[in-house]
Amino acid sequence: AQTVTQSQPEMSVQEAETVTLSCTYDTSENNYYLFWYKQPPSRQMILVIRQEAYKQQNATENRFSVNFQKAAKSFSLKISDSQLGDTAMYFCALLVYNTDKLIFGTGTRLQVFP
Amino acid sequence: DSGVTQTPKHLITATGQRVTLRCSPRSGDLSVYWYQQSLDQGLQFLIQYYNGEERAKGNILERFSAQQFPDLHSELNLSSLELGDSALYFCASSHTGRGGLNEQYFGPGTRLTVT
Repeated sequence: AQTVTQSQPEMSVQEAETVTLSCTYDTSENNYYLFWYKQPPSRQMILVIRQEAYKQQNATENRFSVNFQKAAKSFSLKISDSQLGDTAMYFCALLVYNTDKLIFGTGTRLQVFP
Repeated sequence: DSGVTQTPKHLITATGQRVTLRCSPRSGDLSVYWYQQSLDQGLQFLIQYYNGEERAKGNILERFSAQQFPDLHSELNLSSLELGDSALYFCASSHTGRGGLNEQYFGPGTRLTVT
């Protein structure tokens, strides 16, 4: 069985600062993908960034980057230059190759303060 | 805007009733997924359809059913509703059914309140 754990229920950061959200996962499969989704107060689920497990290079999307440690089964999200619009719930998710079923963590609520 | 549409946005109904949630996938997407987001269970995968056929099942109750029509839109039917069924129901779509990176794009969700 696959599991995703987000151990930080809530985080806060000041505008323009950097914050890191943690995620660990468990799977016995070798081929899988990892995602971070953002859910703002509007409740829309927005894909922030993705990482293919076979790629060693960490994914980056503008101010968002990940630290993927495959051996440790860790997948953290770093948000640089935090903006007020980054305030949202952030979900880490695992997708095992050939299953298409996203397994979500419980989420981290991020508050960005001015 | 993800290109996935869901109707209605909000639904309020009583226990014991039946409701239907509708989803239209992004243009060109063949797969539709349904997820439930509740306070106590978090985000859970319910069921997936690919090109009209059921492809995968998750923690979907027997009172719930779904289908995907020839035009690829999907409906999730919830019957004998209970208070605990109150949740946000998301539909997501992707281009293919399985294999490779298959990003799922989420609709805005339907907020179901059972009173």
